[in-house]
Amino acid sequence: AQSVTQLDSQVPVFEEAPVELRCNYSSSVSVYLFWYVQYPNQGLQLLLKYLSGSTLVKGINGFEAEFNKSQTSFHLRKPSVHISDTAEYFCAVSLMNRDDKIIFGKGTRLHILP
Amino acid sequence: DTGVSQDPRHKITKRGQNVTFRCDPISEHNRLYWYRQTLGQGPEFLTYFQNEAQLEKSRLLSDRFSAERPKGSFSTLEIQRTEQGDSAMYLCASSPVLTGNEQYFGPGTRLTVT
Repeated sequence: AQSVTQLDSQVPVFEEAPVELRCNYSSSVSVYLFWYVQYPNQGLQLLLKYLSGSTLVKGINGFEAEFNKSQTSFHLRKPSVHISDTAEYFCAVSLMNRDDKIIFGKGTRLHILP
Repeated sequence: DTGVSQDPRHKITKRGQNVTFRCDPISEHNRLYWYRQTLGQGPEFLTYFQNEAQLEKSRLLSDRFSAERPKGSFSTLEIQRTEQGDSAMYLCASSPVLTGNEQYFGPGTRLTVT
């Protein structure tokens, strides 16, 4: 079975500072990896995904993530955050080549401080 | 592309009543997924369809829950004899074939059982 651990439930960061949201996963087989963002009272929006190839993945809104197979991690980073980045961020996995359910972490709430 | 839509956006019901939610996927997407999200948690998989066929159901989907996708387009999720523990956000997502399981989420239906 697959699982996802998001190590921080909340991350406060000052505006224009860099941020890293941590994610570790567990799986005995190859997986796809995702980061989704959820703004208040809205559904989930895909930020970026790793399917294969280059381990550094760039997404929307200036976010990027790096797949590290040896550490089973997929941390999300942004060099300079804005107030508009205030949201809940979910790391997720699904089995490669299966196109079925996505398994989500519990989420990390990003607080941008003025 | 109008995105995934869900109706209603909010539903308040008394314990013991039946409720039905509707999801309209993106028109060319043949896969449709239902998830449930409770406060402070990531979404949890409930069930998914490929066209009309329901291919997988989570153990979370008790006998009181039923989902259909009769013509391979929209889907309905019915909860019979609602309980307070059913209070949650119900999310629908859809995906096309062979995209690395990129799922597009709707805004969700928030259910409150009183």
